[in-house]
Amino acid sequence: IVMTQTPLSLSITPGQPASISCKSSQSLLHGDGNTYLYWYVHKPGRSPQLLIYEVSRRFSGVPDRFSGSGSGTDFTLEISRVEAEDVGLYYCMQAVSVKTFGQGTRLEIK
Amino acid sequence: EVQLVESGGRLVQPGGSLRLSCAASGFTFDDYALHWVRQVPGKGLEWVSGISWNSVDIGYADSVKGRFTISRDNARRSLFLQMNSLRPEDTALYYCAKDYSLLLTAPAYWGQGTLVTVSS
Repeated sequence: IVMTQTPLSLSITPGQPASISCKSSQSLLHGDGNTYLYWYVHKPGRSPQLLIYEVSRRFSGVPDRFSGSGSGTDFTLEISRVEAEDVGLYYCMQAVSVKTFGQGTRLEIK
Repeated sequence: EVQLVESGGRLVQPGGSLRLSCAASGFTFDDYALHWVRQVPGKGLEWVSGISWNSVDIGYADSVKGRFTISRDNARRSLFLQMNSLRPEDTALYYCAKDYSLLLTAPAYWGQGTLVTVSS
């Protein structure tokens, strides 16, 4: 399954919202009724961190300014108010079959 | 606190073998699936392999299938990746990661990584 993210880079003023799209080449709805779509952030000098699991569930410790939505093949990560610490590379990943990541979206601060 | 410490990465010649290890602490080891994920320098993330809590469910990326073998030792709280027939394109930082489930779903906590370089 090919994961395609847009845009590939974002430059956002602190306090403003940001949105990243992720489209899959096949539906991510599993036969068990779950949709296995995840969002990660890879910050400079750190290991990747899980933000959102199963489309819209915020992982432990993730601020509520991060939210995920979507279904089928179209998904979105939204940051309601970007902060300086949000700088990094954002990836979507599917786990309905052999896991594959999107190309990554670089978030910069203006 | 979840801790995952990878080791075993080094320079190896094409065609060679390497065994990566990951020592885990801070959680009930045999309650979770585990993964290996790699990042080629300057490139994105690639899932390599994963193993369920009881080693029954195992998966591999097509790029490593038949060359890499994942295993775990729950008594020693350790994860392993046996890498054979290594190619230059296997050069990457290899991360060990803990799933959020005992089933093979997705990485949730990641180690710091160990660097594998395949070059003559």
